[in-house]
Amino acid sequence: NAGVTQTPKFQVLKTGQSMTLQCAQDMNHNSMYWYRQDPGMGLRLIYYSASEGTTDKGEVPNGYNVSRLNKREFSLRLESAAPSQTSVYFCASSEGRGSSYNEQFFGPGTRLTVL
Amino acid sequence: TQLLEQSPQFLSIQEGENLTVYCNSSSVFSSLQWYRQEPGEGPVLLVTVVTGGEVKKLKRLTFQFGDARKDSSLHITAAQPGDTGLYLCAGVSGSGYALNFGKGTSLLVTP
Repeated sequence: NAGVTQTPKFQVLKTGQSMTLQCAQDMNHNSMYWYRQDPGMGLRLIYYSASEGTTDKGEVPNGYNVSRLNKREFSLRLESAAPSQTSVYFCASSEGRGSSYNEQFFGPGTRLTVL
Repeated sequence: TQLLEQSPQFLSIQEGENLTVYCNSSSVFSSLQWYRQEPGEGPVLLVTVVTGGEVKKLKRLTFQFGDARKDSSLHITAAQPGDTGLYLCAGVSGSGYALNFGKGTSLLVTP
């Protein structure tokens, strides 16, 4: 099993450009998440999908949109990138509400720089 | 608002030393998890503690959940360079669903 995969691994954008970060999991998990990680700020939740067909805002959703394409895939879109969105983005998945502890499995991350 | 406060923020020790890192909150957590993140990679789950007062051991790592389920600690015995990384605690409070993460403790173990 590959677990959680993310593409691309690195990306450089100019201010105003758009892009989509892709995430897929092969663990048959119900829930998926997008986080950003910045120095001194820890992991902050952007959006999550508790189950296929649902999405909810997390702590820092502004400037982002998400799509839960199917049970396996959860994408994050930046419509008009800003330098403040320079960060490392992590996708994660978990079994979902049927599991008591919401233990999460993370992908390797996408390192995004916005110039 | 940071629900989980981790201390110390940075820790640099020599191989063979013991250390303890802390994860504290004013909120009660139904469970608390510890993750380790190595440079350039995503966090990896180490352990989940559920019951107040619970102690779990993972080789040289000992995890404890506070009696009131508001805090946790991670003790590493005889640290090795392979223990180097960012240690994150995370938990779900109240009736919430999403995990709240602390900012982490960055550990460097030198030979």
